[in-house]
Amino acid sequence: DMKVTQMPRYLIKRMGENVLLECGQDMSHETMYWYRQDPGLGLQLIYISYDVDSNSEGDIPKGYRVSRKKREHFSLILDSAKTNQTSVYFCASSLSVAGTSQNTLYFGAGTRLSVL
Amino acid sequence: QQKVQQSPESLIVPEGAMTSLNCTFSDSASQYFAWYRQHSGKAPKALMSIFSNGEKEEGRFTIHLNKASLHFSLHIRDSQPSDSALYLCAVSDTGGADRLTFGKGTQLIIQP
Repeated sequence: DMKVTQMPRYLIKRMGENVLLECGQDMSHETMYWYRQDPGLGLQLIYISYDVDSNSEGDIPKGYRVSRKKREHFSLILDSAKTNQTSVYFCASSLSVAGTSQNTLYFGAGTRLSVL
Repeated sequence: QQKVQQSPESLIVPEGAMTSLNCTFSDSASQYFAWYRQHSGKAPKALMSIFSNGEKEEGRFTIHLNKASLHFSLHIRDSQPSDSALYLCAVSDTGGADRLTFGKGTQLIIQP
């Protein structure tokens, strides 16, 4: 069964603390993503990873960094979290073969992060 | 930068009726167009996608694309309460999922 797993599902942190969000997929997809979703703003792309150690900034990378040391695992790190980083974070993966139907994004269930 | 806008922001439709959701985009060179559905508290899930002008039907769902008018739409025939969800349209100028720009969504409620 194709699956993207995110941990933890819920997280409360204080401003200035470091945050680690983890994501795994069992589909051997090359490309993985981190999005955040806020009411009225839709899904915004933070980072893309095209494969191990091949990461690229998305539309809103400021305040975030990522790590991908294994194809099936992609981490999002917030160094010194800020209150405006309170959001729902979604990890996704895809085969990303342009021009075909194999470029569907498969999303995890999300991590709801509150920074107090 | 690609701009994707959805209308309406929210919609209430009676059960059994046709639902029509709209999406406009700004880049005429866009190559890939998709709809995702997100039930409350759940992950977005791909519904349908299209590459070329015209229409594509899958069950109760139909997607229309008109690149010249920078518009595509999703139509749901015989709408069911289980169709109640946030619908997100997405556009890619690369033809792949790596640079999808999402709209802000249409909140659909199907009233029994």
